[in-house]
Amino acid sequence: EAQVTQNPRYLITVTGKKLTVTCSQNMNHEYMSWYRQDPGLGLRQIYYSMNVEVTDKGDVPEGYKVSRKEKRNFPLILESPSPNQTSLYFCASSSPTGTYNSPLHFGNGTRLTVT
Amino acid sequence: QKEVEQDPGPLSVPEGAIVSLNCTYSNSAFQYFMWYRQYSRKGPELLMYTYSSGNKEDGRFTAQVDKSSKYISLFIRDSQPSDSATYLCAMTTGNEKLTFGTGTRLTIIP
Repeated sequence: EAQVTQNPRYLITVTGKKLTVTCSQNMNHEYMSWYRQDPGLGLRQIYYSMNVEVTDKGDVPEGYKVSRKEKRNFPLILESPSPNQTSLYFCASSSPTGTYNSPLHFGNGTRLTVT
Repeated sequence: QKEVEQDPGPLSVPEGAIVSLNCTYSNSAFQYFMWYRQYSRKGPELLMYTYSSGNKEDGRFTAQVDKSSKYISLFIRDSQPSDSATYLCAMTTGNEKLTFGTGTRLTIIP
């Protein structure tokens, strides 16, 4: 089954404790992206990657890191989480032709709480 | 001012009603317009995609784009309880980056 898999689904952590949210896709997509979803603010892009070893900042990259060492994986790293990073996070991928004429496939989300 | 504005709702309508969901935008360079549907505890999934102005129909769903007014709509005919979800509009100039609306939460009452 074609899918984007995120882990974990739920995560509660404390301020400053480094964490990684994993994302893996099995559709051979070149484009991958991370979003956070907050009430009243919608989906905002954190980072994206057009291909292996190519990453770029989205709209809200502060406090986050990503890496793209393999085509299928795109982990999101929070080196020192803070309470304002409490949010619902989504990983997404799409085919090489771009997001405007091929759909973004989203994972089922990771709900992160930072206390 | 946000680039894309969407009424957050919530919107509750009886089963069988026609539903109208709308977004306005400010960037005249947007060329591609999408509607995503997001069920509770799930990621968004693409519902409809249109390019430039005009209408597109897919079953009970119609997407409408009016670029002169910078206004897009999604109509749902004969609404069903299974249509209960959050609907997000999204748009792009074609440069890979999607800009999303905040989403409208819709409930269809049986």
